[in-house]
Amino acid sequence: EAQVTQNPRYLITVTGKKLTVTCSQNMNHEYMSWYRQDPGLGLRQIYYSMNVEVTDKGDVPEGYKVSRKEKRNFPLILESPSPNQTSLYFCASSYAPQGNYGYTFGSGTRLTVV
Amino acid sequence: AQSVTQLGSHVSVSEGALVLLRCNYSSSVPPYLFWYVQYPNQGLQLLLKYTSAATLVKGINGFEAEFKKSETSFHLTKPSAHMSDAAEYFCAVSDRSNDYKLSFGAGTTVTVRA
Repeated sequence: EAQVTQNPRYLITVTGKKLTVTCSQNMNHEYMSWYRQDPGLGLRQIYYSMNVEVTDKGDVPEGYKVSRKEKRNFPLILESPSPNQTSLYFCASSYAPQGNYGYTFGSGTRLTVV
Repeated sequence: AQSVTQLGSHVSVSEGALVLLRCNYSSSVPPYLFWYVQYPNQGLQLLLKYTSAATLVKGINGFEAEFKKSETSFHLTKPSAHMSDAAEYFCAVSDRSNDYKLSFGAGTTVTVRA
């Protein structure tokens, strides 16, 4: 089944403790992206990647890191999480140019930072 | 840069009634337009997309949307609401001016009354 897989689905952590949210897709998509969803704000892009070893900042990149060493994986790293990063996170992927195809989304990761 | 405005954060309809969700966009170049649906505790699922072909686009679950360039709108409709349509709906736009980044509206939550 074609899908984007995120792990974990739920995560509660403490301020400052480094964490990684994994994202993997099995569709050979070139484009991958991370979004955060907050009430009343819709989805805002954190980082995106056009292909392996090519990443760029989205609208809200502060406090996050990403890497794209393999085509299928695009982990999101929070080096020192803070409470304002409590949110629902989605990974998405698409063929390029992704404008034609729309994105396939993962099921989400609900992160709470206390 | 492109942007999306969804009019109305909450819409309540009776079962069997028309569903109308409004979306207006801004884009400096021809856009691609999308509607996504998010059911509780799930990721986003593509409902339909406009990619410069027919202006009236039919999607899944009986939804359709019409691209009106003169009004910069892409409103979503369904003639007869079903209880299973209760969800949050997001309008999104992308264009080549920004690496086809997908920009989302704030979302509209639909409640269906029996």
